[in-house]
Amino acid sequence: SAVISQKPSRDICQRGTSLTIQCQVDSQVTMMFWYRQQPGQSLTLIATANQGSEATYESGFVIDKFPISRPNLTFSTLTVSNMSPEDSSIYLCSVEDRLGQYFGPGTRLTVT
Amino acid sequence: AQSVTQPDIHITVSEGASLELRCNYSYGATPYLFWYVQSPGQGLQLLLKYFSGDTLVQGIKGFEAEFKRSQSSFNLRKPSVHWSDAAEYFCAVGANDYQLSFGAGTTVTVRA
Repeated sequence: SAVISQKPSRDICQRGTSLTIQCQVDSQVTMMFWYRQQPGQSLTLIATANQGSEATYESGFVIDKFPISRPNLTFSTLTVSNMSPEDSSIYLCSVEDRLGQYFGPGTRLTVT
Repeated sequence: AQSVTQPDIHITVSEGASLELRCNYSYGATPYLFWYVQSPGQGLQLLLKYFSGDTLVQGIKGFEAEFKRSQSSFNLRKPSVHWSDAAEYFCAVGANDYQLSFGAGTTVTVRA
């Protein structure tokens, strides 16, 4: 299975600032995904990021708030913009291979 | 719309005893079904998945799950639990391998 790393692993940010989360995969993958896991809740898909095209956002998520880059087949970034305390979550990157979907370790974001 | 219900928020089981985690899904066609495990401080790990074929699916770490279409269920089982199985377990359903809807999770505590 793919090995996925994320940076940073955690951060504490002030309201109104932005944070960019990086996701690196050890193999080339077509599709990468970004999920959010809010405190005490399950995972919610934010968007799908394919290399060479605009990310596709799920209902309730918009590009202005969560811009995504996918410059190549092993890397993606998610930016959480103009943060508020409601954005405090774990953000997870995931990829798909022939066996299924695999997740990174997550980035724990706290907004104060 | 697809959705997943995990009726049990928390289960406590003795080491060596059997474990069954319930999962009910709502989906209009034949779903992809998954079980993931999230250990404390770790990322999500795929235990097993079902799409077609044998309705009893074998996964890693001695887990298995049975797809029952008539009951819209995909319950996870393990005959003998080890202390290392203490974790949070998520059931997920999707139209494919990646656009998944997750249940709220079941936390498993293993007592000696």
